[in-house]
Amino acid sequence: EAQVTQNPRYLITVTGKKLTVTCSQNMNHEYMSWYRQDPGLGLRQIYYSMNVEVTDKGDVPEGYKVSRKEKRNFPLILESPSPNQTSLYFCASSQDHQQILYFGPGTRLTVL
Amino acid sequence: GENVEQHPSTLSVQEGDSAVIKCTYSDSASNYFPWYKQELGKRPQLIIDIRSNVGEKKDQRIAVTLNKTAKHFSLHITETQPEDSAVYFCAASMAFGRKLIFGQGTELSVKP
Repeated sequence: EAQVTQNPRYLITVTGKKLTVTCSQNMNHEYMSWYRQDPGLGLRQIYYSMNVEVTDKGDVPEGYKVSRKEKRNFPLILESPSPNQTSLYFCASSQDHQQILYFGPGTRLTVL
Repeated sequence: GENVEQHPSTLSVQEGDSAVIKCTYSDSASNYFPWYKQELGKRPQLIIDIRSNVGEKKDQRIAVTLNKTAKHFSLHITETQPEDSAVYFCAASMAFGRKLIFGQGTELSVKP
């Protein structure tokens, strides 16, 4: 089944404790992206990747890192999480940057 | 800056009525405009998209119109049904298509 997976789905952590949210797609998509969703603010792009080893900042990259060492994986890293990073995070992928975006199931992160 | 404004933020209609959601975008070079539907607790899913060489596109009860001169586009849902209740997001491609910027979302409620 073609899909985008994320792990974990739910995470409660404390300020400053490094964490990684994994994202994987099995559709051989070139383009991958991370969004955060907050009430009233819609979906805001954190980072995106046009292909392996090619990543770039979205609109809200501060406090996040990503890597794209393999085509299928695009992990999101929070080196030192803060409470303002409490949010719902979605990974997404598409064949290229102007095609249908397929979203993962989301990761609800709470930083205390 | 790069942004997409979406209105209204909430919309309540009676079953069978039409619903219209409007978006404006800032980048005159934008050429891809998708609409996503997000049901409660679910991931966003594409419902329709339009490219800049087309002024209108229709798929059964949903249609999207694009006015490139005015930099706005709209989603029209006719004969609304309770299962149309969801949050709808418009989006526009920016940065030569590398970014997809979303609007703030419209919560549509269809009352039986």
